[in-house]
Amino acid sequence: DVVLTQTPVAQPVTLGDQASISCRSSQSLVHSNGNTYLEWYLQKPGQSPQLLIYKVSNRFSGVPDRFIGSGSGSDFTLKISRVEPEDLGVYYCFQATHDPNTFGAGTKLELK
Amino acid sequence: QVQLKESGPGLVQPSETLSLTCTVSGFSLTSYSVSWVRQPSGKGPEWMGRMWYDGDTAYNSALKSRLSISRDTSKNQVFLKMNSLQTDDTGTYYCTRDRGAPDYWGQGVMVTVSS
Repeated sequence: DVVLTQTPVAQPVTLGDQASISCRSSQSLVHSNGNTYLEWYLQKPGQSPQLLIYKVSNRFSGVPDRFIGSGSGSDFTLKISRVEPEDLGVYYCFQATHDPNTFGAGTKLELK
Repeated sequence: QVQLKESGPGLVQPSETLSLTCTVSGFSLTSYSVSWVRQPSGKGPEWMGRMWYDGDTAYNSALKSRLSISRDTSKNQVFLKMNSLQTDDTGTYYCTRDRGAPDYWGQGVMVTVSS
């Protein structure tokens, strides 16, 4: 199975700062069809995960442009510029290129 | 708008079978796939399996021997059945609409495995 390693486990931030989360895959996430199915989700306490970024760098409907996904192959990053209170929670990367699909272990974005 | 809602028993006895239903609206099951994802309390999510839009299925190999996913397109429902439940199957179970990967999620249903 593909293992997604997220770092850091926790990211203390001050509101208005930039945050960066890394997701590294145990193998390339480039699908045979040429797409790279690497997604980012945010889960707030007591809520279902919500999709932020799909296929590495595409923002889902309604997601603010302060969320930026980048990367290729097996190395991916989510950057959040100007962190706002509603951005706090646990971020998960997810790959749908290989079966079984797998999630990273999560990165908790929290206030310093 | 797109909606998914999970339903099923909140408490299951060890060794028994879990049966959950995902009722969808706002999209067609013959155009979009639906996945089941579960999450133990305080832990990360785990992808369980998928009902593809064409009726094919895919399962997490760790669960494949116990898991079955089916659907009734006339009722806009997707079903999950998992047998031989143990206490570590306790958690919240979600169904999701997939467009390559989950985009819309249901609110989840909490399942506790306990005698």
